[in-house]
Amino acid sequence: DQQVKQNSPSLSVQEGRISILNCDYTNSMFDYFLWYKKYPAEGPTFLISISSIKDKNEDGRFTVFLNKSAKHLSLHIVPSQPGDSAVYFCAASAHYGGATNKLIFGTGTLLAVQP
Amino acid sequence: DAGVIQSPRHEVTEMGQEVTLRCKPISGHDYLFWYRQTMMRGLELLIYFNNNVPIDDSGMPEDRFSAKMPNASFSTLKIQPSEPRDSAVYFCASRSRTGGETQYFGPGTRLLVL
Repeated sequence: DQQVKQNSPSLSVQEGRISILNCDYTNSMFDYFLWYKKYPAEGPTFLISISSIKDKNEDGRFTVFLNKSAKHLSLHIVPSQPGDSAVYFCAASAHYGGATNKLIFGTGTLLAVQP
Repeated sequence: DAGVIQSPRHEVTEMGQEVTLRCKPISGHDYLFWYRQTMMRGLELLIYFNNNVPIDDSGMPEDRFSAKMPNASFSTLKIQPSEPRDSAVYFCASRSRTGGETQYFGPGTRLLVL
């Protein structure tokens, strides 16, 4: 059972346009969410995160939105650049009594930004 | 800093053979994680250590898999005997106790079991 789901295996976007990557989760105890980017033959690298006390976090061209009632988060990339072409993983964690727990990852979405 | 180091980068072996994957975490990091990436299941956490002690190994698929962390700078993931369904990319990641949730990944080991 996938607690973190990325239902779109791939997404193609024109350079300069907005890329929207989506992620759904089922565990209501998740309170921290991260996005990682992965290029071929490399390990995932951290991109941006958001705590459940917020509904938006922005870092340059990247913005993550969190809708707790829908158990949904999205990553917006504006404007998209060819160098953004990669696999994007959504991840979530839950903190029980202040202790840090493990990250649960989705299956990833392959973003292709066309020049 | 050299980042998380994994070896070998590629491994091809025959079914039934023992496979050992190695990881050197970032110096000073307290947590070490082993993941497996497949197309169907994405990134799955296999096991993680805190201060060299295994904390959660619920993701280890079966007894053929074992992991050790004899010291703060080295960990191994062993598969014995290996099977074709173990073919995947295996990642090691580490993070600091004081660095929030962000984990830093190594480049991965691509394993092919024939």
